[in-house]
Amino acid sequence: DAMVIQNPRYQVTQFGKPVTLSCSQTLNHNVMYWYQQKSSQAPKLLFHYYDKDFNNEADTPDNFQSRRPNTSFCFLDIRSPGLGDAAMYLCATSRDSGQGSPYEQYFGPGTRLTVT
Amino acid sequence: SQQGEEDPQALSIQEGENATMNCSYKTSINNLQWYRQNSGRGLVHLILIRSNEREKHSGRLRVTLDTSKKSSSLLITASRAADTASYFCATDARQGAQKLVFGQGTRLTINP
Repeated sequence: DAMVIQNPRYQVTQFGKPVTLSCSQTLNHNVMYWYQQKSSQAPKLLFHYYDKDFNNEADTPDNFQSRRPNTSFCFLDIRSPGLGDAAMYLCATSRDSGQGSPYEQYFGPGTRLTVT
Repeated sequence: SQQGEEDPQALSIQEGENATMNCSYKTSINNLQWYRQNSGRGLVHLILIRSNEREKHSGRLRVTLDTSKKSSSLLITASRAADTASYFCATDARQGAQKLVFGQGTRLTINP
């Protein structure tokens, strides 16, 4: 089945130790998103790729970086995780509506990041 | 700033009853979407309603949109225990941007 896959589902890292979360998709969607979601809060968009064009949100800390080497894969790098970065990280994809407004987004199951 | 705000923040009802959740937003939109999130999981898209639509149905779900009041509602009829989840509305952030802004969500609990 076509889907959005995130690995790992659970990640534990140490304070300040770089960590990479991965996302892959078989939907062939050209838009990919990374969200951060803390407990009982709304998903917060960190950045998104429109094809290879990277779009950073203004309030996303520099500590968060992303790579999209091809259509199928996208990575979230946290260079120096702090305790406040512990959260669920959600990857999502969408196809381009061609009309300036997004179609529905397809989410992966998320990666729960713990920082010790 | 948050585009969508949802009401109530939490709702607890008996199985078989109907559940209504509301969403308000601040700026003009092209479409509004509703998502469900089971605990510890990713979001699942439920319905997309365009700004020129007033009502949409999908199974036991009914969504309305009132652009004059900048509000939407999600009605789940004949609720089931499996409907227990958080429900989020999401609106397109601005013209030409391929992204959504999510509301804070309503936590729905269906009691058997």
